[in-house]
Amino acid sequence: AQSVTQLGSHVSVSEGALVLLRCNYSSSVPPYLFWYVQYPNQGLQLLLKYTTGATLVKGINGFEAEFKKSETSFHLTKPSAHMSDAAEYFCAVSDRSSGDKLTFGTGTRLAVRP
Amino acid sequence: DAGVIQSPRHEVTEMGQEVTLRCKPISGHNSLFWYRQTMMRGLELLIYFNNNVPIDDSGMPEDRFSAKMPNASFSTLKIQPSEPRDSAVYFCASRFGLAGDNEQFFGPGTRLTVL
Repeated sequence: AQSVTQLGSHVSVSEGALVLLRCNYSSSVPPYLFWYVQYPNQGLQLLLKYTTGATLVKGINGFEAEFKKSETSFHLTKPSAHMSDAAEYFCAVSDRSSGDKLTFGTGTRLAVRP
Repeated sequence: DAGVIQSPRHEVTEMGQEVTLRCKPISGHNSLFWYRQTMMRGLELLIYFNNNVPIDDSGMPEDRFSAKMPNASFSTLKIQPSEPRDSAVYFCASRFGLAGDNEQFFGPGTRLTVL
């Protein structure tokens, strides 16, 4: 069975500081990994995904994530936080052994201080 | 493209009443998913359809919940009778193709409050 662990339910950074949101996964077969963002009172929106190929994946709004198989991690980073990045971020995993369903982590709420 | 459309956006009802949530997926998408989001349990998959056929309903909480997809452009999630613990935000998402590496597109959600 697949699973996702997001370390830290709340992260607070200053505007302009590095953003690092942690995600570790468990999957018995090669995973597909996703980061979604949810702004208040909205649905989820895809930031980026890893399926195959290059392990460093770039997404929208300056975010990127690196797939590290040896560490079973897919951490999300952004070099410089902006006030508009304040939102909840979800890591998710899918693989063919699970019928291609997405399993979401519990989410990390990012606050950006002026 | 209008994206995934859900209605109503907000629903307030009394315990015991029937509730029907509606979803229109993005045209051309083959898969449709219903999720529930609560503070306590996070985001849970309730059921999903491929080509209008229910594939996995193991996340449906109990017999009070049912979902249908009569055609490729419409799905409903029904709760009968509703209970206060059903209060949550319900999301519908659709996906092009059947492969798990394709993106799911989420609707804005329906916020359900059962009094």
